[in-house]
Amino acid sequence: NAGVMQNPRHLVRRRGQEARLRCSPMKGHSHVYWYRQLPEEGLKFMVYLQKENIIDESGMPKERFSAEFPKEGPSILRIQQVVRGDSAAYFCASSLRNEQFFGPGTRLTVL
Amino acid sequence: DAKTTQPNSMESNEEEPVHLPCNHSTISGTDYIHWYRQLPSQGPEYVIHGLTSNVNNRMASLAIAEDRKSSTLILHRATLRDAAVYYCILREGGSEKLVFGKGTKLTVNP
Repeated sequence: NAGVMQNPRHLVRRRGQEARLRCSPMKGHSHVYWYRQLPEEGLKFMVYLQKENIIDESGMPKERFSAEFPKEGPSILRIQQVVRGDSAAYFCASSLRNEQFFGPGTRLTVL
Repeated sequence: DAKTTQPNSMESNEEEPVHLPCNHSTISGTDYIHWYRQLPSQGPEYVIHGLTSNVNNRMASLAIAEDRKSSTLILHRATLRDAAVYYCILREGGSEKLVFGKGTKLTVNP
């Protein structure tokens, strides 16, 4: 049973470009979470999704950030018009019950 | 946001037990105590969780104070691969999100 998969593992964007981060949950998991970790800090919750529904987006910045988890395919975290402050590691997790399984993360660097 | 207090760092020697403390004096009756750890350059990894009773699994033990205002994660025999940042997290019953604090950075000396 493959774990949570994220791609790309590393992403470099210039200011103003768009970043798309993908997350494939573990087989059978229908709950997906996105977290962001700034350098030298702990993880911050961004959004919680179930298939085709956003359940909790209380941690999402109000502008430029969006997330989806379609019926088919991976969950996507989309950042429009990236700025240097968006440089961080973005982790996706999936769960079935209590335990969240995390992916290896996508490290976004904005030049 | 984080409702837990942990030491910034701890050191241990290989093959010795490690006791990682966590204070959560404002815990409510429905909060679960979760522990995750993050190895360098990796995503967090679930370690253990509990509500009121002490818990054991293959990775660790969780000792919860009777008043639930503190807990201790116990690694029975530390190995070099246990070097990581350990996060103690209160998860509200019915809530799905994890609120991470700064955690405790554990160094294991050979």
